[in-house]
Amino acid sequence: AQSVTQPDIHITVSEGASLELRCNYSYGATPYLFWYVQSPGQGLQLLLKYLSGDTLVQGIKGFEAEFKRSQSSFNLRKPSVHWSDAAEYFCAVGAGNQFYFGTGTSLTVIP
Amino acid sequence: KAGVTQTPRYLIKTRGQQVTLSCSPISGHRSVSWYQQTPGQGLQFLFEYFSETQRNKGNFPGRFSGRQFSNSRSEMNVSTLELGDSALYLCASSPNPPGQGSNQPQHFGDGTRLSIL
Repeated sequence: AQSVTQPDIHITVSEGASLELRCNYSYGATPYLFWYVQSPGQGLQLLLKYLSGDTLVQGIKGFEAEFKRSQSSFNLRKPSVHWSDAAEYFCAVGAGNQFYFGTGTSLTVIP
Repeated sequence: KAGVTQTPRYLIKTRGQQVTLSCSPISGHRSVSWYQQTPGQGLQFLFEYFSETQRNKGNFPGRFSGRQFSNSRSEMNVSTLELGDSALYLCASSPNPPGQGSNQPQHFGDGTRLSIL
């Protein structure tokens, strides 16, 4: 069965520091991969997606993610975090006829 | 282009009542999916509609139902509400259903916050 794992429930970083959020998936074939961000009281906004081709994908707000097939991972990165990046981040897999979401990682940014 | 619109934004109900939530997808999007989001369970898939047909359903009891209209707008209904139904209900739309293009990202509305007293 398909599944998405975000091992870090909560992460705290200092403003200006780099960030990496982990995502691992379980799927028999190459999936379509997405990262979403959710601010309090709002819906999910798409940050970036991997469909095929170049395994390093760029997204909005300065985020990027790298697909590593050998590790079944799709980690999200940002070189310098801003206070406005504090939010909940969800990794998702498009597989078969459904989307599967991870349980999310809550990001706190301290000044 | 207007985004996904969900109404109402907030609802308070009591146990045993029923509720109907509405979702208007992005213009041109024909697939609408519903999710339940709670702190303990994360995002749980409820069902997905395309061209007025339910194409996929998550693992929820029959109290949860939905429908889609010819203009792609969708409603979900929850009957005999229970305390555990308190959640944020999110609607997402995409041009095609996941099975025909799960490479197309879903676009989410801001959700309806349902509280059961």
